[in-house]
Amino acid sequence: ILNVEQSPQSLHVQEGDSTNFTCSFPSSNFYALHWYRWETAKSPEALFVMTLNGDEKKKGRISATLNTKEGYSYLYIKGSQPEDSATYLCAFIWDSNYQLIWGAGTKLIIKP
Amino acid sequence: DSGVTQTPKHLITATGQRVTLRCSPRSGDLSVYWYQQSLDQGLQFLIQYYNGEERAKGNILERFSAQQFPDLHSELNLSSLELGDSALYFCASSVVGKASYNEQFFGPGTRLTVL
Repeated sequence: ILNVEQSPQSLHVQEGDSTNFTCSFPSSNFYALHWYRWETAKSPEALFVMTLNGDEKKKGRISATLNTKEGYSYLYIKGSQPEDSATYLCAFIWDSNYQLIWGAGTKLIIKP
Repeated sequence: DSGVTQTPKHLITATGQRVTLRCSPRSGDLSVYWYQQSLDQGLQFLIQYYNGEERAKGNILERFSAQQFPDLHSELNLSSLELGDSALYFCASSVVGKASYNEQFFGPGTRLTVL
């Protein structure tokens, strides 16, 4: 059974601090990894899709890295702002069937 | 706006009833996915359709069924409703393939309340 784990489950961060969290996935048959941001009362929105070992993606203050050999991806947020409060989901594609296997998410709460 | 539409936005019904949720995918997307989010739970994948055919099944109950029509819109049918079926139901669509790596675009959701 393929399993995607995200840690921590939830995280409280002071406004202005930087933070990061993890998505762990099976390292064999890696095909791609997605990060999504899911704000309360909204729908999940794609942040990044990562496909190559060593990949780094950046969008404003949010960036992500990928290590396919050891099966993890980190999402970093620099200088957290209240609008960063959301649940961050990762989804793993393990083969060219393109099926997404979703993690349970990390709920990030930014304290003003 | 993702381009995915879902109706209705809210639905309140009683136990034992049957409801139909509707989803229209983004223009050009052949694949539709249904997800359920119950209170304080994550995103649970229910079922995927691709160009009218069922492609993958997740944790979908036997009381639930779905279909995708020739115009690519999809319907999720929930029957013999129970209190525990109260949840937010999302539809997502995608272009399945290497160009997008199956990036999914989510609709606004239908909030179902079973009383």
